[in-house]
Amino acid sequence: EVQLLESGGGLVQPGGSLRLSCAASGFTFNSYDMSWVRQAPGKGLEWVAAITDSGISTHYADSVKGRFTISRDDSKNTLYLQMNSLRAEDTAVYYCAKYSGLHWGQGTLVTVSS
Amino acid sequence: QSALTQPPSASGSPGQSVTISCTGTSSDVGGYNYVSWYQQHPGKAPKLMLFEVNERPSGVPDRFSGSKSGNTASLTVSGLQAEDEADYYCSSYAGSNNLKVFGTGTKVTVL
Repeated sequence: EVQLLESGGGLVQPGGSLRLSCAASGFTFNSYDMSWVRQAPGKGLEWVAAITDSGISTHYADSVKGRFTISRDDSKNTLYLQMNSLRAEDTAVYYCAKYSGLHWGQGTLVTVSS
Repeated sequence: QSALTQPPSASGSPGQSVTISCTGTSSDVGGYNYVSWYQQHPGKAPKLMLFEVNERPSGVPDRFSGSKSGNTASLTVSGLQAEDEADYYCSSYAGSNNLKVFGTGTKVTVL
């Protein structure tokens, strides 16, 4: 059974940093492109970032470009999202998902507030 | 990259059909056959219902179907059931820079 388990969310002050992790199991992690998608409270889905199966190519939404970094450690079957210079508008549930969209984690809440 | 446009709400009685539109541009919906649809129940993660316009993942009922014409894609749910009441989001590949864009979301109510 495919499982994606996010962790690392929490309360952070504006301008602060946070690193999210997504532990993958039940599939050959290094064969799949992966992504992060977020959902602000009561709002719609927003694609945030993606990384290819090789880890060579990364892509970002304009709203996070230059502040967020997606990476992966295939030896640990883990996807990461390093978030710097956080803003109030980054407050959201962050989902880890296969880029295809077939499998999603349950999400981790990030709250940016003073 | 702007979000794809969906109607805020749609509704139908049990057994009826409901169709949701998803309007983009030639740079996303109109340019590629990589439109997906997701169902999301409150407090839950999204679930992939259709990919590549009209392909269903294993386990998704054939009551869910999709189409595309120009810059607009559509999701049709036939034979509405109570469990179909949820939020629905479309998404599209949007080129090598922005990669993926989601729709604004549609709340489907089963009357």
